[in-house]
Amino acid sequence: DAGITQSPRHKVTETGTPVTLRCHQTENHRYMYWYRQDPGHGLRLIHYSYGVKDTDKGEVSDGYSVSRSKTEDFLLTLESATSSQTSVYFCAISPGDFNYGYTFGSGTRLTVV
Amino acid sequence: SQQGEEDPQALSIQEGENATMNCSYKTSINNLQWYRQNSGRGLVHLILIRSNEREKHSGRLRVTLDTSKKSSSLLITASRAADTASYFCATRGAGSYQLTFGKGTKLSVIP
Repeated sequence: DAGITQSPRHKVTETGTPVTLRCHQTENHRYMYWYRQDPGHGLRLIHYSYGVKDTDKGEVSDGYSVSRSKTEDFLLTLESATSSQTSVYFCAISPGDFNYGYTFGSGTRLTVV
Repeated sequence: SQQGEEDPQALSIQEGENATMNCSYKTSINNLQWYRQNSGRGLVHLILIRSNEREKHSGRLRVTLDTSKKSSSLLITASRAADTASYFCATRGAGSYQLTFGKGTKLSVIP
């Protein structure tokens, strides 16, 4: 998707290993979000950022941490991957706080074996 | 917990027909948004309606919002096969940074 890229697109990892997913944007948007999408649950917010070094937890933050050292990059780390974290992860960006839509990346499909 | 819930979960129509999807939510909102997701892709923002608006149009899309009933509908007129996708409503709670998504309606448009 224009202005936002996620890497890697696919990853298979073993239980117990740390994993980092990267979201990179070229839009200079202030707000960045990490969601996971699972069948039967829709999209659920993991963490979000409202500026460099400013982050907060979402609905399903346990087992995840984030960092944002630059406006353009928002990293999601699974500290010790578990099978329950097998999911599709989406990053989203937004220029403002309330009356703006989100632009989503293409997603990272993560499988924990 | 999910704020918005779409209905129906799945909808199958013939090309050229209109498709209507509904969304209900539970708490006060600042705005409500609709997104489309094609299979294996990210979500695409379609339309945003603020809590003080009742109806909004964008091309073949018409969105209504009834805050007294805490519900919204998305109408796609003259559907095309390319409209086949999942459609999600998302709500922004009053004073919240977070956008909360429903589980989606899967629309199939048969050529």
